[in-house]
Amino acid sequence: AQKITQTQPGMFVQEKEAVTLDCTYDTSDPSYGLFWYKQPSSGEMIFLIYQGSYDQQNATEGRYSLNFQKARKSANLVISASQLGDSAMYFCAMRGLIQGAQKLVFGQGTRLTINP
Amino acid sequence: GAGVSQSPRYKVAKRGQDVALRCDPISGHVSLFWYQQALGQGPEFLTYFQNEAQLDKSGLPSDRFFAERPEGSVSTLKIQRTQQEDSAVYLCASRSNPPLTETRTPYGYTFGSGTRLTVV
Repeated sequence: AQKITQTQPGMFVQEKEAVTLDCTYDTSDPSYGLFWYKQPSSGEMIFLIYQGSYDQQNATEGRYSLNFQKARKSANLVISASQLGDSAMYFCAMRGLIQGAQKLVFGQGTRLTINP
Repeated sequence: GAGVSQSPRYKVAKRGQDVALRCDPISGHVSLFWYQQALGQGPEFLTYFQNEAQLDKSGLPSDRFFAERPEGSVSTLKIQRTQQEDSAVYLCASRSNPPLTETRTPYGYTFGSGTRLTVV
């Protein structure tokens, strides 16, 4: 079984500051993938960044980077130079890669609010 | 189509009524998923199709929930005798056939905008 834990229900950050959203996970799969999604008030889930458990380097996508610490089972999302448009719900998710499981397992989410 | 399309966007049902929610995935996407997202929560897996085969329905909360994808494209999630606890956003996602070798590209899951079901 897989489990994602996001311990920050809400985060408030000043515009242009960096913010870290926490995510810890638990799985028995030796190989897995970790995802971060953004969900604005309109409801769609927007893919942000992906980290494979076998990747040696932390993933980066523009202003998004993933601080992957495998031994600690954490996959925190770092958003640099935050913008007002970053205000949304953020979900961490994972998927096992070996056992053929296709589904994503999501955390409870963190509501990020960027203040001007 | 360009994205995953879900209809209706909003649905209000009286308790006990049957509802049908439609998902039109990206053309050619083999895998299709349904998720239930309660207010303020993360999406919870309901069921998964590969083409027309329903390979995992472990997340369906009761036998009132039924999903089908008869021709391997459009899928319908049906909820019979709706109850207030069924009120949620129902998200559909599709995904292309994965490559044999995992790469950094997650051949991502594309989500629709969801159907917000309110049972009154």
